[in-house]
Amino acid sequence: NAGVTQTPKFRVLKTGQSMTLLCAQDMNHEYMYWYRQDPGMGLRLIHYSVGEGTTAKGEVPDGYNVSRLKKQNFLLGLESAAPSQTSVYFCASSLAPQGAVYGYTFGSGTRLTVV
Amino acid sequence: AQTVTQSQPEMSVQEAETVTLSCTYDTSESDYYLFWYKQPPSRQMILVIRQEAYKQQNATENRFSVNFQKAAKSFSLKISDSQLGDAAMYFCAYDAGGTSYGKLTFGQGTILTVHP
Repeated sequence: NAGVTQTPKFRVLKTGQSMTLLCAQDMNHEYMYWYRQDPGMGLRLIHYSVGEGTTAKGEVPDGYNVSRLKKQNFLLGLESAAPSQTSVYFCASSLAPQGAVYGYTFGSGTRLTVV
Repeated sequence: AQTVTQSQPEMSVQEAETVTLSCTYDTSESDYYLFWYKQPPSRQMILVIRQEAYKQQNATENRFSVNFQKAAKSFSLKISDSQLGDAAMYFCAYDAGGTSYGKLTFGQGTILTVHP
């Protein structure tokens, strides 16, 4: 099925460990986004990409890095995980900058716990 | 920066009745988009309804409708004939469109409980 796939769906990390979250889309979308969801705060934008090889910071980028080496993949990395990064992470994509017009597609999220 | 506020952390409704979820936002833009997303326990983000600011007519999708008050910067969601399947977290979201690169700004969310 076409859509956005996030890997893994669940993960527990120890403080200081590193990991990479993978987001893959098969809709040929140019724009991809990483959000985090925390109770009482909605979803907040971490980083986004407007095309292959490009990335930019969102609202809460500290402690995260991203890469977009291939158009269909957008990776989110945590170099040294902290308990404050315990969250649910969502990836999204859109066909054009005006995702509002053409629609956003969200993945099903990754629940990350840092102990 | 744009902000979106949902002042109702939780709401409840009896099955078959009507409930309204509130959302206010702050922006200096004149043209933008507003959304309501539903997030059931599966965590999937499901688009419920979308409103384009330049359209004065309120958007409607079956049992879901909005009351868009542009001057007041208010965007409430009305769910009619509530069903058990409507129980979920609901997020209001704003998209400036244009050169904003399509970044969504979300409200804090409202948990809706539907009682049989």
